[in-house]
Amino acid sequence: AQKVTQAQTEISVVEKEDVTLDCVYETRDTTYYLFWYKQPPSGELVFLIRRNSFDEQNEISGRYSWNFQKSTSSFNFTITASQVVDSAVYFCVAGGTSYGKLTFGQGTILTVHP
Amino acid sequence: GAGVSQSPRYKVAKRGQDVALRCDPISGHVSLFWYQQALGQGPEFLTYFQNEAQLDKSGLPSDRFFAERPEGSVSTLKIQRTQQEDSAVYLCASSQRGRVGNTIYFGEGSWLTVV
Repeated sequence: AQKVTQAQTEISVVEKEDVTLDCVYETRDTTYYLFWYKQPPSGELVFLIRRNSFDEQNEISGRYSWNFQKSTSSFNFTITASQVVDSAVYFCVAGGTSYGKLTFGQGTILTVHP
Repeated sequence: GAGVSQSPRYKVAKRGQDVALRCDPISGHVSLFWYQQALGQGPEFLTYFQNEAQLDKSGLPSDRFFAERPEGSVSTLKIQRTQQEDSAVYLCASSQRGRVGNTIYFGEGSWLTVV
């Protein structure tokens, strides 16, 4: 069983600011997967990034970057130079050794003001 | 199609009515999932298919919920005798193979309101 906690319910920033979304996870699996999904007002969940538990290398992809720290069970996500189109609900998600049964956090509502 | 397609997008049902929600996964995707998302919450797992086999239905909230995928492609989620607490967005998702860690792609959801 897994648990994902996103402590920030809502974040509001002004365009071009950097914003970091926090995520803490709990799992008993030795191998697991972490994801970030974005849900704009249309409702579709959009895949952003995936990280495997055995690879702690942090990366940057365009304006997105993430910080995976197994020691603190955290998987934080940063958007650099935020834009109004980034406004959405962001979900941190964990998947374990099962086929793809995912556990979602409660979501963080990000609003980027012009 | 290019993505996961769900229909209807919006459904209003009277309490006690039966509803059927359809999902067309991405072509060739072996795995198919249904999730339920209540207002203001994250999605919660309902059931999983690998091809036509329903391998996990542990998340179905009651025996009023039934899902099928008879030919291993299109899936239908059926809710019998709907109740107000069934009001939610029902999300279908698919992935290429039944392997751990495969990226799962979601549809736009079917928004169900029970009145």
